[in-house]
Amino acid sequence: DSGVTQTPKHLITATGQRVTLRCSPRSGDLSVYWYQQSLDQGLQFLIQYYNGEERAKGNILERFSAQQFPDLHSELNLSSLELGDSALYFCASSVGGSGGAGETQYFGPGTRLLVL
Amino acid sequence: LAKTTQPISMDSYEGQEVNITCSHNNIATNDYITWYQQFPSQGPRFIIQGYKTKVTNEVASLFIPADRKSSTLSLPRVSLSDTAVYYCLVAPDKGYSTLTFGKGTMLLVSP
Repeated sequence: DSGVTQTPKHLITATGQRVTLRCSPRSGDLSVYWYQQSLDQGLQFLIQYYNGEERAKGNILERFSAQQFPDLHSELNLSSLELGDSALYFCASSVGGSGGAGETQYFGPGTRLLVL
Repeated sequence: LAKTTQPISMDSYEGQEVNITCSHNNIATNDYITWYQQFPSQGPRFIIQGYKTKVTNEVASLFIPADRKSSTLSLPRVSLSDTAVYYCLVAPDKGYSTLTFGKGTMLLVSP
């Protein structure tokens, strides 16, 4: 158990809908990262927040957005969902905000999203 | 960011030592080499990290030659539970950069 929690574990929805994925980081961690993992694309970095502020952006679509709240939990919002958005969405956390190799990232169990 | 190349898959048997090599020809002076492990339907887990020579922990060893253009993750006496995807990542220790996970190496351990 990494100490990172994600809800829900599974989510089934229809195209065009909007969903919210939630992540609670490990106690004491200030950074939250979001990743998308699909069969053909592997593990793709989406976005990072550090202590409430956006720190880095990866391959995140405009239809997706995220935020980190004062209690440090984070939410990833996915809207106008398409079939291709079906994937595993992971959240990770780390103590600091420098990203890179100096920050070990602890991953949650993921949310499996299926868009029908 | 330095690009990494590792085998897509490897097969082994229980009790054998497994060595997974990663190439990173354009590694920068301040880059560190980190390996993560991912079991099916779980998030990746940090295994080991090194800069040069050899690093060992309770899970694995990491061998890095002097030119640092490659690294080898060594798993001693693997068991069925070591079946997983292993990712090699290269990133600076200080200063900001995101981690780039490639496709990894799928290790299948058979009885």
